[in-house]
Amino acid sequence: DSGVTQTPKHLITATGQRVTLRCSPRSGDLSVYWYQQSLDQGLQFLIQYYNGEERAKGNILERFSAQQFPDLHSELNLSSLELGDSALYFCASSSTTSPTDTQYFGPGTRLTVL
Amino acid sequence: GQQVMQIPQYQHVQEGEDFTTYCNSSTTLSNIQWYKQRPGGHPVFLIQLVKSGEVKKQKRLTFQFGEAKKNSSLHITATQTTDVGTYFCAGPKNAGNNRKLIWGLGTSLAVNP
Repeated sequence: DSGVTQTPKHLITATGQRVTLRCSPRSGDLSVYWYQQSLDQGLQFLIQYYNGEERAKGNILERFSAQQFPDLHSELNLSSLELGDSALYFCASSSTTSPTDTQYFGPGTRLTVL
Repeated sequence: GQQVMQIPQYQHVQEGEDFTTYCNSSTTLSNIQWYKQRPGGHPVFLIQLVKSGEVKKQKRLTFQFGEAKKNSSLHITATQTTDVGTYFCAGPKNAGNNRKLIWGLGTSLAVNP
């Protein structure tokens, strides 16, 4: 158990809908990262927040947005969903902003768009 | 842009055989991290290498960082079924304020008992 929690575990929705994925980092970690993992794809980095502020951006679509709240939990919002958005979404946390920090991953949310 | 490539993409071995995955970066890395993801699981940190030519061992796993700090390898001696999973390497990209980890696509290891 990494100490990172993600809800929900599974999400099934329809095209055009909007969903929110939630992540709580390990106790004491200030950075939260979001990743997308599709079948046969590696980990695609989406975005990083540190202590409530956006720190680094990856290949995040404009239809996706995220935020980190004062209690350090984070939410990833996916809107106007398309079939291709079906994937595993992982959240990870680390103690600082540095990309050299070890990242601790949550169990993931499996999103299925029908 | 900066890329991290891993080979092979897939590897099937018989239990007891050795396995090696290679990670190559298009640029010099300050350090490299390795993670393992079991089937149905999430990535778990294995190790970080920082020094040029560094070699670290964890039981049957041997990690190496190249002298030029542009490549790395993970070698597993006498594989076991518990080694099944995808092994990822990742290195930091320092681009102004947009510092992040660049991940390889991973090597998936299957072990036949």
